[in-house]
Amino acid sequence: AQSVTQPDIHITVSEGASLELRCNYSYGATPYLFWYVQSPGQGLQLLLKYFSGDTLVQGIKGFEAEFKRSQSSFNLRKPSVHWSDAAEYFCAVGGYNSRGYQKVTFGTGTKLQVIP
Amino acid sequence: NAGVTQTPKFQVLKTGQSMTLQCAQDMNHEYMSWYRQDPGMGLRLIHYSVGAGITDQGEVPNGYNVSRSTTEDFPLRLLSAAPSQTSVYFCASSPDRAPGGIGNTIYFGEGSWLTVV
Repeated sequence: AQSVTQPDIHITVSEGASLELRCNYSYGATPYLFWYVQSPGQGLQLLLKYFSGDTLVQGIKGFEAEFKRSQSSFNLRKPSVHWSDAAEYFCAVGGYNSRGYQKVTFGTGTKLQVIP
Repeated sequence: NAGVTQTPKFQVLKTGQSMTLQCAQDMNHEYMSWYRQDPGMGLRLIHYSVGAGITDQGEVPNGYNVSRSTTEDFPLRLLSAAPSQTSVYFCASSPDRAPGGIGNTIYFGEGSWLTVV
């Protein structure tokens, strides 16, 4: 069964500092991996996604993520955090269910707080 | 750009009442789904649909009903509301399931906050 673990529930960083959010996945085949962001009171928006190829993926808003198969990880990074990055971040893995339809499993999320 | 539109945004129900959360998308996506979001539990899939007339259960379908009569609309019905259904509900859609369907971006509505008292 596919699953996603986000070990950090809350992270606080200072504005301008670097950020790394952790994500570990479990999936039997080549994974499709995603990071979504949810601003307060809003729906989720795609930051970036990975299927294959270059293991370092660039996304919107200056975010990037690195796929490491050996560690089953897909960590999200940003070199310099802005106050507007305060939000909740969800890692997700895409696969197929028993009927052959797409199945996306989300992690429990990491809330990012940015302090001045 | 409407995208995925959900209504209502906020709703308070009494235990035992029924209601329908409406969802519409204007992107001609075949795949639509409903999630609920609860603190510490992330998003859990309630029901999904891969096209008009085709629906299936997700992880937490009990107490909910769906139908898909058109490509655009995917309403979620609470049959007899219970306090355990207090949650934030998200409707989502994405392009065709295959090929590469699981790599497609999911587009989310802005959410419906439901409280059952």
